[in-house]
Order: sequence, then structure tokens, then C-alpha cells
Amino acid sequence: SQTIHQWPATLVQPVGSPLSLECTVEGTSNPNLYWYRQAAGRGLQLLFYSVGIGQISSEVPQNLSASRPQDRQFILSSKKLLLSDSGFYLCAWNSEDEQFFGPGTRLTVL
Amino acid sequence: LAKTTQPISMDSYEGQEVNITCSHNNIATNDYITWYQQFPSQGPRFIIQGYKTKVTNEVASLFIPADRKSSTLSLPRVSLSDTAVYYCLVGATYNDYKLSFGAGTTVTVRA
Repeated sequence: SQTIHQWPATLVQPVGSPLSLECTVEGTSNPNLYWYRQAAGRGLQLLFYSVGIGQISSEVPQNLSASRPQDRQFILSSKKLLLSDSGFYLCAWNSEDEQFFGPGTRLTVL
Repeated sequence: LAKTTQPISMDSYEGQEVNITCSHNNIATNDYITWYQQFPSQGPRFIIQGYKTKVTNEVASLFIPADRKSSTLSLPRVSLSDTAVYYCLVGATYNDYKLSFGAGTTVTVRA
């Protein structure tokens, strides 16, 4: 069966510090991968999606970036965090019928 | 992607049936309708998907009228554990599928 991992589960970072969130998928090959952000009490905002290694599409201009160095690895990064980057970050992948989400990373920028 | 509109919140009591209607007036011919459930601090979880008429599984039923411009998620006999945010999504092909989650409907079930 397929499994999706995210880490860390929670993170507290100062403004201006770098960020690296990692997502890995097991049990499938060549998945479409997604990064979403959810602010408190809000819906999910699609940040990036990838249809293959090295292929990244950005949905929203921001100070975040994404990379896909391996087929089942998706990384979300920032060089300098802003207060507005706080939120719940979710990684997801598609099967034919539905989208599966990881457990999420709760990021607090102070 | 077709835009969806759903109520912001709904309250219910244990044992009642909850019906959440989603409007998607500009749904395309090859769009499917999918509903997700999200608990606090967790990612959304697939509930049900349909194209037309009625779909039922062990969790919910999905009613889609002939014009497909709306759909209704029906949760039978809800319990406290059904308190969650429910999202209606409309989209096309599965393999290049950018899901657009709105604010969803917050369903609160009370004892």
C-alpha cells in the first residue's frame, strides 16, 4: 500500500531563518506530488505541484520554493522565512481516484 | 477548475442526517465531484466521488442532479466524531489534477 511521510511534524523558526520540509512517498512510482498550505481556520492553498523529477509548477508567488530531486521525494524550502509563512503544510499525491495527504507539518514563525 | 460554493458552517445533533449542498454551476463535461473530510491538524481524507445520479459507500451518499450544477453530500446518523470540515471539489482528469480547496463547510455535531 502507499504511504506518505512528512517531517518534521512541528517546527518553530525565527523570522529570516531558512526552511526545509521533506515529503516522501512509498508504494507508488512517478506520482504527481503537491504542497499545500493551510492558514488557521482557512482552506488549503496549493503552493506547488510536480509531475516528475525536476518538474515544478508554482501556483502562488511567494518566498518559498520546491524541488523534486527524486521520484518520490518532494522538498519545500525557503531562504528567509516571513511571519506570514506560518501555517499547516501538507504534502499530497494523486492516485487515479483520489488525492492522499501526508500528516502535515505545523510551522510557526516567530 | 470549476469553482464551488458551499455553506461555511452547519450544526447538527448526534443521530441526525446532515446534508451539505455544493454549487458548481460551471462544471465541465469531464469533471468529477469529490468530497473530502478534514479533522483538525490532519490532512483531508477522501470520502466519496461521483459523476452523476447517486453514489453510496459505507460513509456517505452523494446525490448529483441531472444538470450536475450542484451536489449534496449526505452523512447519515452523524456522531460527535463526524465534526470536521468538509470540502467539495470539482475537477477533470485524475493524473494531472490540481485540486482547489475552498474554505469548506465546518460541520459541528453536538450531543
